Amino acid sequence: NAGVTQTPKFRVLKTGQSMTLLCAQDMNHEYMYWYRQDPGMGLRLIHYSVGEGTTAKGEVPDGYNVSRLKKQNFLLGLESAAPSQTSVYFCASSYLGRREQFFGPGTRLTVL
Amino acid sequence: QQPVQSPQAVILREGEDAVINCSSSKALYSVHWYRQKHGEAPVFLMILLKGGEQKGHEKISASFNEKKQQSSLYLTASQLSYSGTYFCGATRDAGNMLTFGGGTRLMVKP
Repeated sequence: NAGVTQTPKFRVLKTGQSMTLLCAQDMNHEYMYWYRQDPGMGLRLIHYSVGEGTTAKGEVPDGYNVSRLKKQNFLLGLESAAPSQTSVYFCASSYLGRREQFFGPGTRLTVL
Repeated sequence: QQPVQSPQAVILREGEDAVINCSSSKALYSVHWYRQKHGEAPVFLMILLKGGEQKGHEKISASFNEKKQQSSLYLTASQLSYSGTYFCGATRDAGNMLTFGGGTRLMVKP
């Protein structure tokens, strides 16, 4: 039982490049989330999903897109990376929206 | 609008107690508490729903004062393993968006 996994763990991009972060969970959770965490700050919600095929915007959605084609996977895309998107990205999942969230190990992204 | 946590940082000796507060200017439906150690993912501690309930987990407990829109996390007889950053997350309704506070850094020294 791996819980929540994220791929890759580290990535360096140049401004304008694109990439996709993959989040996978094996707990059969309906809800999945993408957060970003900047140094010394709390977590900010980018997008979330309440089930397969559905997504919704969070607090800071600009510059990101997401897809939830399969229940166990939640993808976060950056179409044209900017230095302001340098951050640690965490994926999380929960059984219900009001229940505890299980976090993945994070992806450290640097945009030069 | 994110919840406000206080204090921003606290240093304790082993065995001492601490209180971390989380407050909001808007009505809250639920408050979540998480702990994050350096370089790791946040780990869930507990959830409190509106209604003024109090929960406990070993020597860590929390309360939720609905009238004051405030939650407090109580750490008693602190251990070295309690070191980390504590985050509160709040929801304003029964929906799915959790808004996190800025965190409180706790350091427990021997």
